[in-house]
Formats: sequence, structure tokens, C-alpha cells
Amino acid sequence: AQKVTQAQTEISVVEKEDVTLDCVYETRDTTYYLFWYKQPPSGELVFLIRRNSFDEQNEISGRYSWNFQKSTSSFNFTITASQVVDSAVYFCALSESSGGYQKVTFGTGTKLQVIP
Amino acid sequence: DSGVTQTPKHLITATGQRVTLRCSPRSGDLSVYWYQQSLDQGLQFLIQYYNGEERAKGNILERFSAQQFPDLHSELNLSSLELGDSALYFCASSVGRGPSTDTQYFGPGTRLTVL
Repeated sequence: AQKVTQAQTEISVVEKEDVTLDCVYETRDTTYYLFWYKQPPSGELVFLIRRNSFDEQNEISGRYSWNFQKSTSSFNFTITASQVVDSAVYFCALSESSGGYQKVTFGTGTKLQVIP
Repeated sequence: DSGVTQTPKHLITATGQRVTLRCSPRSGDLSVYWYQQSLDQGLQFLIQYYNGEERAKGNILERFSAQQFPDLHSELNLSSLELGDSALYFCASSVGRGPSTDTQYFGPGTRLTVL
């Protein structure tokens, strides 16, 4: 069975600090996909990134970066020089095939508060 | 604005009733996904359709059903509603066949309250 653990329930940082959100997953499949989503206080969901299990190259997009390590089953998300607009709940998710279907499992989310 | 529309924004109904939630994907997107977000269950993937056909299925209850019509809009039908079905229901769309290859764009959600 697949599982996604976001152990950090809430994190508070002061603006301009760097922050890392942890995501640990469990899966038996060799082919799977990992995602991060953002849910700001307004409530909408925003897709941030997708990574497949064969691509362990880290990715950077502006102030956002992702560190995928298969050896530790982790897909961590770092925000550099955090801003108030980064305040949101961030979800990590895992997708794998199950019985011919893609099954998606979400973590419980990490609430990030950036204090000005 | 993601380009994905969902109606209604809010829905209040009673236990045992049936409701239909509607989603219109972005122009050109062939896939539609449904998600449920509740305090008890967190965020859950329900089901995905691609060009009218069911493509992926998650934790969707038997009381729930969905379909995607020829014009690509989708409806999520929830029947025999229970208090625990109260949640925010999101629809998302993408161009291709699945979340493994596509960027998903989310609608604003429909908040369902079952009294």
C-alpha cells in the first residue's frame, strides 16, 4: 500500500528565511510519480511540480526547489527567501498504478506561515 | 483564474438527498479529475476521466458516480448523502491522459454541506 507522510503539521518562519517541507513516501512500485500542491488561504489548489521515479535530478524554479532522493524515499520542498505570499498549506502526493488504474495518495499537508 | 469552472460554489442539502456537481475544464483539456477535501479524510483523489472514458479511480464511494460528456464537461453525482460527505469538492483538468504526465489546473471548488 502506498503512503505519504508529511510529519510537519505547521511551520512558522520569518520572512526571508529558507524553509524545507518534508515528504516521505512508501510504495512497492518501481514506477511512480510525486507531486507538490499549494493551497493558499483563499482555498484554491495549485499544482506546483511533478516528478517521476526515474528522474532524481533536483529541480529549481525561482525560489522553489525540490530534492528527490529515492534512497530515503523523500521528496522535500525548499522555499528560499520565503515571502508572506508563500503562506499556505502544502500537500505532497504519490501516484502509482494499481490494478490498471492510477492511484493518487495525498499527505496530510504542512501549513506554512510566513511572518512579516 | 485557472480556466476551470465549477458550479455551484456552495451547496447545502440534507442527509439522504442526491446532488450533482458540475465541472467545465479548460479549453482544450481532455482530462477531468475530481478530488474531495474534508476535515476527517483530508485531500482525496476520487476519479479521473479522459475524453469521456474513466481513466483512474481513487477512493470514490459506491454512492458517488461521475461521467464526462461529449463536450468534455463532467458531473459528479453524490447520492444518499451522509453528514460525512460534507466537504470541498475540487475539479481539475489537464491536456493529456493523467497526472503522471500533465500539469493539472484546479477549479475553485464546490463546498457541500450536508445537514
